[in-house]
Amino acid sequence: EDQVTQSPEALRLQEGESSSLNCSYTVSGLRGLFWYRQDPGKGPEFLFTLYSAGEEKEKERLKATLTKKESFLHITAPKPEDSATYLCAVRPMNYGGSQGNLIFGKGTKLSVKP
Amino acid sequence: GAGVSQSPSNKVTEKGKDVELRCDPISGHTALYWYRQSLGQGLEFLIYFQGNSAPDKSGLPSDRFSAERTGGSVSTLTIQRTQQEDSAVYLCASRSGTVSYEQYFGPGTRLTVT
Repeated sequence: EDQVTQSPEALRLQEGESSSLNCSYTVSGLRGLFWYRQDPGKGPEFLFTLYSAGEEKEKERLKATLTKKESFLHITAPKPEDSATYLCAVRPMNYGGSQGNLIFGKGTKLSVKP
Repeated sequence: GAGVSQSPSNKVTEKGKDVELRCDPISGHTALYWYRQSLGQGLEFLIYFQGNSAPDKSGLPSDRFSAERTGGSVSTLTIQRTQQEDSAVYLCASRSGTVSYEQYFGPGTRLTVT
């Protein structure tokens, strides 16, 4: 069964303390892995798409990497405004159900204290 | 440009009443999704529309849930005879429907059934 597991569930950091969030996935072939940021009371905001192992994407203090089994979202010198829930999702290669549908993890809630 | 919009932002209804939730996708996006997000849970796929094709309703939890998309644009999710377990945030997303699988989300409708 295709599934996505994110860890940790919650992460508290001090401002400037770099860390990583993990997204492990089990899918029947990967067509894409997606990272989203979700602020309280808002919809998920698209961050990155990764398509193949070894690929990396960067945006400001965030860098996403991908292997054949997992993805990491590295946060370098985080600031309080980086506090949010980060969601990981995958699009399996041969998804028997909806075309283009994504399977989401439950997210990691990041809190960055000043 | 304008993103995905949803209305209402909040809806409180009594158990047993019907509710309609509306989604306006990004202009030109041919794919539209509805998800449900309950507290502590990941995003749960409900239904998917792609162009003029028959919708994929495989995620609808019961026959009390239905959705339509008029003119390939605006979509309405209807929940009949609401139950307390229907309380959640209902999110709509759209995708350009070409090569990318990236979905762009609206702000959601928070539904509370009393």
